[in-house]
Amino acid sequence: DARVTQTPRHKVTEMGQEVTMRCQPILGHNTVFWYRQTMMQGLELLAYFRNRAPLDDSGMPKDRFSAEMPDATLATLKIQPSEPRDSAVYFCASGLVRQDRGLYTDTQYFGPGTRLTVL
Amino acid sequence: GESVGLHLPTLSVQEGDNSIINCAYSNSASDYFIWYKQESGKGPQFIIDIRSNMDKRQGQRVTVLLNKTVKHLSLQIAATQPGDSAVYFCAETRSNAGGTSYGKLTFGQGTILTVHP
Repeated sequence: DARVTQTPRHKVTEMGQEVTMRCQPILGHNTVFWYRQTMMQGLELLAYFRNRAPLDDSGMPKDRFSAEMPDATLATLKIQPSEPRDSAVYFCASGLVRQDRGLYTDTQYFGPGTRLTVL
Repeated sequence: GESVGLHLPTLSVQEGDNSIINCAYSNSASDYFIWYKQESGKGPQFIIDIRSNMDKRQGQRVTVLLNKTVKHLSLQIAATQPGDSAVYFCAETRSNAGGTSYGKLTFGQGTILTVHP
């Protein structure tokens, strides 16, 4: 049963500290998404990779957030320095976008999330 | 004080009843739609999807209906069970969107379903 995995599941840190969240997409998927979920804003897209290349990170605060895919099996989201307003659940999702007679979008599968609390 | 945040629509049903959750989508160019279920403390879980060349699709105990004329999507759950209690999200996308829009989903705010035994 292929699943997206995320670590850590919970993280409590103090303001100003660096936070790194990791995601292992489903093997064979070529797209990876990072979302943030809060009660105030719901699900927000932060960044999006296709074939490991960053395509869109317009939803991310550029001064403190960074997202990378060092290889096809690992995506990272880093916050430095962290702030209390970053407290949220961060989800990674992966999917397979195929091209067949034109573009064709497939379903995104979500990981269990990382619950971040910044004190 | 009163908390400020998203006020999600809620639906309360009795166990065994059928549930209908509605979603109005925004982009008339969207041609692929997904329903997700999110239980407390978990990530959104895929339930069922539908493409715009269909107006109905059935899964196990779930049916999705698509009305492109009024940009409306609904999820019907038959014989609702307490385990169906969750937040349900609809999501839309254009499968032929180019560039950086390709593959991006737009999520609705969600509906809270509560099933009473």
